[in-house]
Amino acid sequence: QSALTQPPSASGSPGQSVTISCTGTSSDVGAYNYVSWYQQHPGKAPKLMIYEVSKRPSGVPDRFSGSKSGNTASLTVSGLQAEDEADYYCSSYAGSNDWVVFGGGTKLTVL
Amino acid sequence: EVQLLESGGDLVQPGGSLKLSCAASGFSFSTYAMSWVRQAPGKGLEWVSGISGSVGSTYYADSVKGRFTISRDNSHNTLYLLMNSLRADDTALYYCAKDLRGSSLRGSFDSWGQGTLVTVSS
Repeated sequence: QSALTQPPSASGSPGQSVTISCTGTSSDVGAYNYVSWYQQHPGKAPKLMIYEVSKRPSGVPDRFSGSKSGNTASLTVSGLQAEDEADYYCSSYAGSNDWVVFGGGTKLTVL
Repeated sequence: EVQLLESGGDLVQPGGSLKLSCAASGFSFSTYAMSWVRQAPGKGLEWVSGISGSVGSTYYADSVKGRFTISRDNSHNTLYLLMNSLRADDTALYYCAKDLRGSSLRGSFDSWGQGTLVTVSS
């Protein structure tokens, strides 16, 4: 069982918005602003999409945004495109509890 | 351009040992924390171990503590993972990953290798 809880699947039509949740505890997501989101296409290495809750690395479209409220972080993908179909993982720094924890992943399907 | 190239994955029997390497280039290796993250076939990502930049403080997931040892050679820009007492549930693709922010482990991995496959089976 993963330390962070994500829904196993999410979907939306092209152009729509979808939000993926990531629920942790007061020892990880709730304690630190070091929540990250990764996109992984089949057979590829993960790609960092969001770091420190809401920051986007250079090159990541602004259609991807992140937020956090209490022990739950969220990734929103706006204006869905076919290439957004992938697995998405959240992670959080957890200090001396577990150091770094990942969610179980969410498979995003673009209908 | 940042490049991370893992090697050392192999088929090993339960109870055996293996040492993974990750050759880094394109950035100031010694000033960044590095981690190993694994992915079992068809499963999600699992952080395994991390090491800080120049000081070399080490961190482990409970699932590998006491069995795995992470180390780095800053003079050769290489990260290592020595894996002992391997079990079937250690079977996975092992990725080397660079921390975004700097010397301290923070778990924001902005660069990943392509992974090296470790299979533990008799």
